[in-house]
Amino acid sequence: AQTVTQSQPEMSVQEAETVTLSCTYDTSESDYYLFWYKQPPSRQMILVIRQEAYKQQNATENRFSVNFQKAAKSFSLKISDSQLGDAAMYFCAYRTPSNNQGGKLIFGQGTELSVKP
Amino acid sequence: GAGVSQSPSNKVTEKGKDVELRCDPISGHTALYWYRQRLGQGLEFLIYFQGNSAPDKSGLPSDRFSAERTGESVSTLTIQRTQQEDSAVYLCASSLVPRGGNQPQHFGDGTRLSIL
Repeated sequence: AQTVTQSQPEMSVQEAETVTLSCTYDTSESDYYLFWYKQPPSRQMILVIRQEAYKQQNATENRFSVNFQKAAKSFSLKISDSQLGDAAMYFCAYRTPSNNQGGKLIFGQGTELSVKP
Repeated sequence: GAGVSQSPSNKVTEKGKDVELRCDPISGHTALYWYRQRLGQGLEFLIYFQGNSAPDKSGLPSDRFSAERTGESVSTLTIQRTQQEDSAVYLCASSLVPRGGNQPQHFGDGTRLSIL
């Protein structure tokens, strides 16, 4: 079974600085998708960034980028120029291909990010 | 509506009672997922619906949990004889046909269930 591990329960960053959140996963599949979701206190899960396993190029979305190391099964999230609005719980998630278990998401335990002004 | 809608937003009930949670997915989204999030933890998959196919119930924790979906619209998650361990936020997500797994899941705001 696939598992996702986030080893940092809490992280803190100074406003305008850069922070990296760690995520590792375990799978025997070669084709899959990885996601980072943000969950503010409002509870809504907001998609931050996604990565297809077959793509070697790391995904980027404005201030958010990932470091995807397929062989190491590592998928870290880098937030540049951190803003107060980035404070939230961040979840790493693994998604199976849709023809296997319907593409359900498997989540890590989350990392709570605080941003200091 | 524009997004996934869940009701009620909060539900408090006594142990042993049955509860029903509702999810209204984004129009046109054929895939629908239910997840459970216990306090301070990540989301756990419960059940998945895709069109008229048989649902994937592999994540349901016990036979007290069941879910239904009418066609490609509203879904209800029912918990019978609630226990205190059922206290959690229940999140619903929907997506377009998940071909290749590339379609993102859009989440509702969840229902916070508290069992007294």
